[in-house]
Amino acid sequence: DGGITQSPKYLFRKEGQNVTLSCEQNLNHDAMYWYRQDPGQGLRLIYYSQIVNDFQKGDIAEGYSVSREKKESFPLTVTSAQKNPTAFYLCASSPRTSPTGELFFGEGSRLTVL
Amino acid sequence: KQEVTQIPAALSVPEGENLVLNCSFTDSAIYNLQWFRQDPGKGLTSLLLIQSSQREQTSGRLNASLDKSSGRSTLYIAASQPGDSATYLCAVVGSQGNLIFGKGTKLSVKP
Repeated sequence: DGGITQSPKYLFRKEGQNVTLSCEQNLNHDAMYWYRQDPGQGLRLIYYSQIVNDFQKGDIAEGYSVSREKKESFPLTVTSAQKNPTAFYLCASSPRTSPTGELFFGEGSRLTVL
Repeated sequence: KQEVTQIPAALSVPEGENLVLNCSFTDSAIYNLQWFRQDPGKGLTSLLLIQSSQREQTSGRLNASLDKSSGRSTLYIAASQPGDSATYLCAVVGSQGNLIFGKGTKLSVKP
C-alpha cells in the first residue's frame, strides 16, 4: 500500500544529544513537509522540500536540520540547539508543490527529552 | 497574515445527532481548503479537499462547504457515531502557497 512511514514512533533523548527522525513515502510525491504539534498550538511548519536536493525553512526551523537526497526520503534531525524539543512530529507529502496540493500525513513520531 | 480559527474548541453530542463544525479564515484569497481528522496520538487523515472554485465536497456522511467571500467553511457530519470521536482540523492554502492550520475542534460522540 502507498503511504508515508515515520520512524521511530516513540523516541527518548537526553539533553545535548542530536536525534534523527525518519520519513519515507512511496506515493511518488514531489513535496515533503515536517510539522511540529504541541498541545493548544496547532501544527507549525519546520521545513519543507519541493524537489530533491532543495529545501526551505518553515516558521520554526531553528534547532532543526533536514536533507532531501532521495525523492522518497526526508529525514529530520533535532539538534541540541533546539531549546524545547519535546513534541509530536508529523511528516507529510503532497503531489503538488506550489501552491500546496492535498496533504497526506504519516503516523507521527513522539520525541521526549529526559 | 492568514489566520484560521475553529470554534468551538470542543464539542460533545449524543450518538445519532447531525452536527456542524466551523472553520473561518481571515484572507479570502485561498487556493483550497482541506479538512482532516486526527485520533489521539496519531497522524492526520485527509477527509475532504475543496478547491477555491468549488462550493462543497461530499464523502459518505461528511459534507464540507466553502464560502470564500465570507471566509468560512463548515464540515457537516450526518448521523454521528462514537467512532467519529476525534479532533477535526481545517487548513487553508493561502496566496503565499503555504498551508495554514486551525487548532482543531475536539469532537466526542456519546453512545
